[in-house]
Amino acid sequence: QKEVEQNSGPLSVPEGAIASLNCTYSDRGSQSFFWYRQYSGKSPELIMFIYSNGDKEDGRFTAQLNKASQYVSLLIRDSQPSDSATYLCAVNSRYGSSNTGKLIFGQGTTLQVKP
Amino acid sequence: KAGVTQTPRYLIKTRGQQVTLSCSPISGHRSVSWYQQTPGQGLQFLFEYFSETQRNKGNFPGRFSGRQFSNSRSEMNVSTLELGDSALYLCASSDGAGTGGGKRFGPGTRLLVL
Repeated sequence: QKEVEQNSGPLSVPEGAIASLNCTYSDRGSQSFFWYRQYSGKSPELIMFIYSNGDKEDGRFTAQLNKASQYVSLLIRDSQPSDSATYLCAVNSRYGSSNTGKLIFGQGTTLQVKP
Repeated sequence: KAGVTQTPRYLIKTRGQQVTLSCSPISGHRSVSWYQQTPGQGLQFLFEYFSETQRNKGNFPGRFSGRQFSNSRSEMNVSTLELGDSALYLCASSDGAGTGGGKRFGPGTRLLVL
């Protein structure tokens, strides 16, 4: 089992719809979760991160954590064609009970927003 | 603040050569991490430096090495290049070690090994 898993997609949604991206992780004790967006030929761009104490909303983006089921979601409201990209989920690896500086990435989900 | 900068942006080398990549983190950031991205393996962690000390290392052979300078700039070196080393090498910086929070990536160095 991979440590961080994402459906590779593509996930296709119409413009204006809500896009829902999911990511599962294997380490039940993980405390920090990150979503990056990567356009083709570009480097990953940090969208948002959350800690194990709660969800977070930032503009059209909402990150939600379900600790019991060990998955993290990213919701994009009012999806725009410019949101079309690969979305990478990452989890902070741990050594014992402490976070390390290493991020473990999923393979990414390709999102297509159709006008 | 200026973002993370990486040089060079593109590089072509032949097998057996060595290469050095450079990364300047965001001003005030003391943690620098390096990742390799390939279509098949995705993003994989190479190593992390904080205050000139390597704090974490990924599962890469010893041909991959790095260092960090007192001004937080970092370099990574790959010796005896192999075809499989062709990848996008990404540097990320953050303001602390161990938290993993808010890592920002540079534009990357695209390495092609022929």
